[in-house]
Amino acid sequence: NAGVTQTPKFQVLKTGQSMTLQCAQDMNHNSMYWYRQDPGMGLRLIYYSASEGTTDKGEVPNGYNVSRLNKREFSLRLESAAPSQTSVYFCASSWTDNEQFFGPGTRLTVL
Amino acid sequence: AQSVTQLDSQVPVFEEAPVELRCNYSSSVSVYLFWYVQYPNQGLQLLLKYLSGSTLVESINGFEAEFNKSQTSFHLRKPSVHISDTAEYFCAVNTGFQKLVFGTGTRLLVSP
Repeated sequence: NAGVTQTPKFQVLKTGQSMTLQCAQDMNHNSMYWYRQDPGMGLRLIYYSASEGTTDKGEVPNGYNVSRLNKREFSLRLESAAPSQTSVYFCASSWTDNEQFFGPGTRLTVL
Repeated sequence: AQSVTQLDSQVPVFEEAPVELRCNYSSSVSVYLFWYVQYPNQGLQLLLKYLSGSTLVESINGFEAEFNKSQTSFHLRKPSVHISDTAEYFCAVNTGFQKLVFGTGTRLLVSP
C-alpha cells in the first residue's frame, strides 16, 4: 500500500516550457487535490476533483490544467511555465470530508 | 469564506519545555479541524483531528488540541517537547465541501 505517490520529485524548467506532474493513489479515494506550498503562505489549493470525471478550480488555478485520468490518477499540467510557478507541489486524496492524505511533493524550479 | 489564522510564524522553545501553537478559524457553519505536521523535505502528515464529540483530542506522540467553539480556536499543545518535534505545523479547517483551508503554518524550533 504505497498511499499517494508523485513523480517527479524534482524538476527544473526554463520559462515557457511545459510539463505534467503525475499523482496516483491506491486507497480507493474519491477526491483528489493539487496544492502548491510557498514560504509564508501555507498550502493553497490549485485544483481538486471530487470524483472521477469531475474537476474544479481552487484558490490559485491560473496557469494550470488538470486531468482526472481515472479514479487513481490526477495529473497537473503547466502549459507555459513561469518563474512565479516555482514552488513545491503536493497531491492529496481523501475519502470523505475527513482527513486528506498527502504525497511526498514535487519541488519545481522555473528559471 | 472560511479562513484559518496561525499568528505565530515561528516558535522557538527549549527541549522539555511546554509549547502552545495557536490556531483560530472563521466559519459560520460546523467545522472539522485538523493539525498536520511537516518534517523537513517531506509531505504533510495528520497529527490529530476534531470531527465531533469530545473537544479535547490527542495524538499518539503527546500532542493535544482543544476545540473551543466560543473562541473559534483549536490550539495545539504539548507539555514537554523533544528535539524530534522540530517541524512545521499547519492548522486546517474543512467545512463540508471536501476542501481544506490551511493556515500559513508555524515553525516549531526545539533546541537543547
